[in-house]
Amino acid sequence: QSVLTQPPSVSAAPGQKVTISCSGSSSNIGNNYVSWYQQLPGTAPKLLIYENNKRPSGIPDRFSGSKSGTSATLGITGLQTGDEADYYCGTWDSSLSVGVFGGGTKLTVL
Amino acid sequence: QVQLQESGPGLVKPSGTLSLTCAVSGGSISSSNWWSWVRQPPGKGLEWIGEIYHSGSTNYNPSLKSRVTISVDKSKNQFSLKLSSVTAADTAVYYCARDYKLVQEGYYYYYMDVWGKGTTVTVSS
Repeated sequence: QSVLTQPPSVSAAPGQKVTISCSGSSSNIGNNYVSWYQQLPGTAPKLLIYENNKRPSGIPDRFSGSKSGTSATLGITGLQTGDEADYYCGTWDSSLSVGVFGGGTKLTVL
Repeated sequence: QVQLQESGPGLVKPSGTLSLTCAVSGGSISSSNWWSWVRQPPGKGLEWIGEIYHSGSTNYNPSLKSRVTISVDKSKNQFSLKLSSVTAADTAVYYCARDYKLVQEGYYYYYMDVWGKGTTVTVSS
């Protein structure tokens, strides 16, 4: 059981937009910054979004992040087949003093 | 740019100790970063194991704390993971990662910006 809650799967057609939600509590998302990771099949996770809505160098602006209260959202526009991956949210839990992840969301581009 | 490389036995016997090392290249382990271990059981999500600062300060996942030790070797620019009393449930891909962690006004800025490729550890007799 993950501390952060994500939908197991989402899907959309190429070119469309999709959002992935991540729900937590006041001890994690509510009072700390959220990051998102993309894990392509058979590879290590890769930082996609940090500090709620910032993109590392090289990440296209098709990827965006937002946070409201104890929930965060990853948005992907102009979906491509290469975006098919597992996506994880993450943050620090101040009460547990640990890093925490969501259970992951599998994106299928139909 | 910083790169991380995990190494260690791919097979560990039940009740034994899993030992992995993460070599840091392209940067210093004594920088202002924490260094983490994360694992991923087959077909499952990511699990945070713990982290260490170059001073030796550590934080561990409470669910693994009694079995985990993370240490740092500044002379070799590497850090290590030991997990004792392993069972089949500890079979996973183990990743090392570089953390960015900053606390300002009680808010944590926290993310993992560099990851190793991962190493598969199977617990089996």
